[in-house]
Amino acid sequence: DVKVTQSSRYLVKRTGEKVFLECVQDMDHENMFWYRQDPGLGLRLIYFSYDVKMKEKGDIPEGYSVSREKKERFSLILESASTNQTSMYLCASSFETSTDTQYFGPGTRLTVL
Amino acid sequence: QQPVQSPQAVILREGEDAVINCSSSKALYSVHWYRQKHGEAPVFLMILLKGGEQKGHEKISASFNEKKQQSSLYLTASQLSYSGTYFCGTGQTQGGSEKLVFGKGTKLTVNP
Repeated sequence: DVKVTQSSRYLVKRTGEKVFLECVQDMDHENMFWYRQDPGLGLRLIYFSYDVKMKEKGDIPEGYSVSREKKERFSLILESASTNQTSMYLCASSFETSTDTQYFGPGTRLTVL
Repeated sequence: QQPVQSPQAVILREGEDAVINCSSSKALYSVHWYRQKHGEAPVFLMILLKGGEQKGHEKISASFNEKKQQSSLYLTASQLSYSGTYFCGTGQTQGGSEKLVFGKGTKLTVNP
């Protein structure tokens, strides 16, 4: 059974803190993605990775970075969290191409105070 | 570049039909449909590829019109379990990579 897991369901951080969100997939997928979901704005792509150590900016990369040291793990990093980064963060993976079926994790609701 | 979905929200009674539209200003070669139930992750419904092919299973189907750069999702004889937010995603090229760009979603509520 396909599985994408995220390290936390809920996270509360303070402004200026460095935040790590972790995502792991067990399907040997090539591609992994980080999205941000806000009410009325849909799913917006932050970064994606099509191979280990490879990354591409999505539509809203400002204030974020990513790391993919192993195929199964994709991390989203907020170098200095700000209140406008309070949001739901969703990780996804897909098999070969970025437009293959995407499998989503349960999401991390991040609150920055 | 974000596809435009309409309507933003729709409320149905069980058994009624609904159509959700997804339009793009860019040429389409693939459209994906996902459903997200409240508090859950989005789940893949179907993909449509260039060629106008209509796909579906049971009472949910979709069409893809390349000329109009539009896809439509058809929900027939809706059930309570159809409630959720429906997203379309369009395949777009960025440099040498491909990505999905999602619309803002359509919230569907099915009441008894």
